[in-house]
Amino acid sequence: NAGVTQTPKFRILKIGQSMTLQCAQDMNHNYMYWYRQDPGMGLKLIYYSVGAGITDKGEVPNGYNVSRSTTEDFPLRLELAAPSQTSVYFCASSEWGLEGEQYFGPGTRLTVT
Amino acid sequence: AQSVSQHNHHVILSEAASLELGCNYSYGGTVNLFWYVQYPGQHLQLLLKYFSGDPLVKGIKGFEAEFIKSKFSFNLRKPSVQWSDTAEYFCAFLLSYNTDKLIFGTGTRLQVFP
Repeated sequence: NAGVTQTPKFRILKIGQSMTLQCAQDMNHNYMYWYRQDPGMGLKLIYYSVGAGITDKGEVPNGYNVSRSTTEDFPLRLELAAPSQTSVYFCASSEWGLEGEQYFGPGTRLTVT
Repeated sequence: AQSVSQHNHHVILSEAASLELGCNYSYGGTVNLFWYVQYPGQHLQLLLKYFSGDPLVKGIKGFEAEFIKSKFSFNLRKPSVQWSDTAEYFCAFLLSYNTDKLIFGTGTRLQVFP
């Protein structure tokens, strides 16, 4: 199993550009999550999904959108990128929600200039 | 607001030294507690977790953590570290009433020198 994969690994965006961060898992997990980690800070939840077709906001959803059309994929869309979105983005999945073990992807380092 | 404090931002040890990383949470109710680890170039992975029962929890690679409710603490320990323990360690807690909110600490970077 590949586990949780994320693409790209690095990206530089100009202010106002848009992009989609891809996340896929092959463990048939219902729960998927997007986090961001700013320098010197803990991970903060952006959006999550409890199954295909169901998404909900986390702690810091502004400026982002998600979709979950399949169990495997959970892309994160950034519209009108801003410098405040410079961060490392982690995708994760779990079988039993946040009470269970989360499996993390390798992260995407995004810089907005 | 609920939060997690990891007081040690950067810890440097020699191999065979004992390790204790501090973690304190701010919430008066029931919590579930986790330690995650990120080895260099690798994904975050679960080290151990506490939900209920014995407050001394054993995890992978010889790590353990003790939940002390009166101190709101969940410190991570290892009696003898190895060079391969060099990593970043994150404490996190889950509010039992709100399973949609997992709160992470800022992480502790551990460097172990041979």
